[in-house]
Amino acid sequence: GQQVMQIPQYQHVQEGEDFTTYCNSSTTLSNIQWYKQRPGGHPVFLIQLVKSGEVKKQKRLTFQFGEAKKNSSLHITATQTTDVGTYFCAGPHTNAGKSTFGDGTTLTVKP
Amino acid sequence: NAGVTQTPKFQVLKTGQSMTLQCAQDMNHEYMSWYRQDPGMGLRLIHYSVGAGITDQGEVPNGYNVSRSTTEDFPLRLLSAAPSQTSVYFCASTNSGGSPGNTIYFGEGSWLTVV
Repeated sequence: GQQVMQIPQYQHVQEGEDFTTYCNSSTTLSNIQWYKQRPGGHPVFLIQLVKSGEVKKQKRLTFQFGEAKKNSSLHITATQTTDVGTYFCAGPHTNAGKSTFGDGTTLTVKP
Repeated sequence: NAGVTQTPKFQVLKTGQSMTLQCAQDMNHEYMSWYRQDPGMGLRLIHYSVGAGITDQGEVPNGYNVSRSTTEDFPLRLLSAAPSQTSVYFCASTNSGGSPGNTIYFGEGSWLTVV
């Protein structure tokens, strides 16, 4: 079945360092979404990428969708303590009605 | 706008007890899902529904039942609680199955402990 994998599982950085998480799907995706979950919170939608090779930016966050639409990345420039949390990618499943989530990358930022 | 509302937020159950986690959304979304999240395991899909009267199993359905009698409500029933069901449960809704432009909205979660 469809699988979505994320690496790394955990990332510890010093405040001000950059951070990148990668998402790889076993199948071609029509779109990919990214979510952020703060500690003790629930996942919250960040962005959606649809086009092959698409790049979108949200302040210090840069999201990319691969040319083959099977991988994606989230890059945070100059991390801040407010960036801590778990970042998930999600792709639509082949069966309508559900999405497949990666296992997430948990980011901790040391002040 | 309430969005997705889950109750209870916290619950402790004894092994063998049954209970229902309630979920309601006020966005008129067709699609609703239940996920469980264990440490380091990400979000695993338990059951989902593509509309009133229609439900289907996800990755980890055993020990859980769902029903969708209305568009708004999607309760999750634990039939006979087991310690392995200790987890955080999230209800989610979206206007379609991951199509472009349709984000997934999550409830705030229900922390369940089975002793």
